[in-house]
Amino acid sequence: SQQGEEDPQALSIQEGENATMNCSYKTSINNLQWYRQNSGRGLVHLILIRSNEREKHSGRLRVTLDTSKKSSSLLITASRAADTASYFCATGGGAQKLVFGQGTRLTINP
Amino acid sequence: KAGVTQTPRYLIKTRGQQVTLSCSPISGHRSVSWYQQTPGQGLQFLFEYFSETQRNKGNFPGRFSGRQFSNSRSEMNVSTLELGDSALYLCASSPGASGANVLTFGAGSRLTVL
Repeated sequence: SQQGEEDPQALSIQEGENATMNCSYKTSINNLQWYRQNSGRGLVHLILIRSNEREKHSGRLRVTLDTSKKSSSLLITASRAADTASYFCATGGGAQKLVFGQGTRLTINP
Repeated sequence: KAGVTQTPRYLIKTRGQQVTLSCSPISGHRSVSWYQQTPGQGLQFLFEYFSETQRNKGNFPGRFSGRQFSNSRSEMNVSTLELGDSALYLCASSPGASGANVLTFGAGSRLTVL
């Protein structure tokens, strides 16, 4: 079963625009992570936010976490064609087990 | 520093056969996890090994098994293949210590069962 649910399932924007993806989860967490996957390849870790953090930045990425609403958002600013990928949120399920959402498929149009 | 290496990258099998996939983690990483990715079910956790011991297991039938060797390399095996086993199998490694569990993934092994 999926812990995280991303919204929207698919997003298409113009290059240079900002992209926002949301993730909701069901149980209490220690941290939440975002990963990117390019076209059926392996996932790449983007950012981790701990449960006691509300916002975190990494380059063009901004992640927010609202534990009261059990939700997180990923903002990609000034999008580029290379940002075209699927984005997944993941929460820890014990040890190294991560529970992933279904993902948001992001398409950046030139 | 070499990344996580998975072999083979692509393979085709027929129903009833068995398959073994291999994963070499990042040097120094002691934890190896396996995930199955399908369009319908998404990314699902199979199992995790740490220091040659299975530390965590997902909700998959016993046809799915794995092991880890003393050099941290891991293999997973699927016996009596079914059409529904067609998927991208992803291996991920991490240092394995308690706390934040950031995973480094390999490129995956794409299995097609005919």
